[in-house]
Amino acid sequence: KQEVTQIPAALSVPEGENLVLNCSFTDSAIYNLQWFRQDPGKGLTSLLLIQSSQREQTSGRLNASLDKSSGRSTLYIAASQPGDSATYLCAGRGGSNYKLTFGKGTLLTVNP
Amino acid sequence: NAGVTQTPKFRVLKTGQSMTLLCAQDMNHEYMYWYRQDPGMGLRLIHYSVGEGTTAKGEVPDGYNVSRLKKQNFLLGLESAAPSQTSVYFCASSYGQVNTEAFFGQGTRLTVV
Repeated sequence: KQEVTQIPAALSVPEGENLVLNCSFTDSAIYNLQWFRQDPGKGLTSLLLIQSSQREQTSGRLNASLDKSSGRSTLYIAASQPGDSATYLCAGRGGSNYKLTFGKGTLLTVNP
Repeated sequence: NAGVTQTPKFRVLKTGQSMTLLCAQDMNHEYMYWYRQDPGMGLRLIHYSVGEGTTAKGEVPDGYNVSRLKKQNFLLGLESAAPSQTSVYFCASSYGQVNTEAFFGQGTRLTVV
């Protein structure tokens, strides 16, 4: 059974800092890994999708990497802004029913 | 471009009442999913569908039923609501199973008293 862990559970940084969010998964046989952002009381917004054959994906100030052999993915946020404050979730897709298995998220606070 | 739309956004039910949550997507996606999100538990898959007319059980299906009569709609039913079903429910869809993004609705906050 796939298990996804996100560390740390919460992170507080000053504005302008570069930061890394971590995601680890137990079953390396994933098809892809997706990073989401969730604002309080809102739905999930897709940020980046990394296919199993890819090593990384970039979108603006965000860069996500995937290392299947070690069961790890990271989300790098450059030059953080207060508007980046949210919960970040990673989810791996795999298994016989191709379902997404989610981590419990990292609550990021960027202080002005 | 609406994406994934959930109805209603909020609801309060009494124990034993029934209700249906509606999910509609306008992206011609084959795959649709219902998740629940609870504090400390993360998102857990309730039921999913791999195409019109199909449904399958996820991790936590007990107490819920689903139907996918039309490709664009996926309904989640609670026949006899229980306080343990108090949660935020999210619907998601994706074009394929493997190499495609999943898109989520804005959620339905359900309270069962």
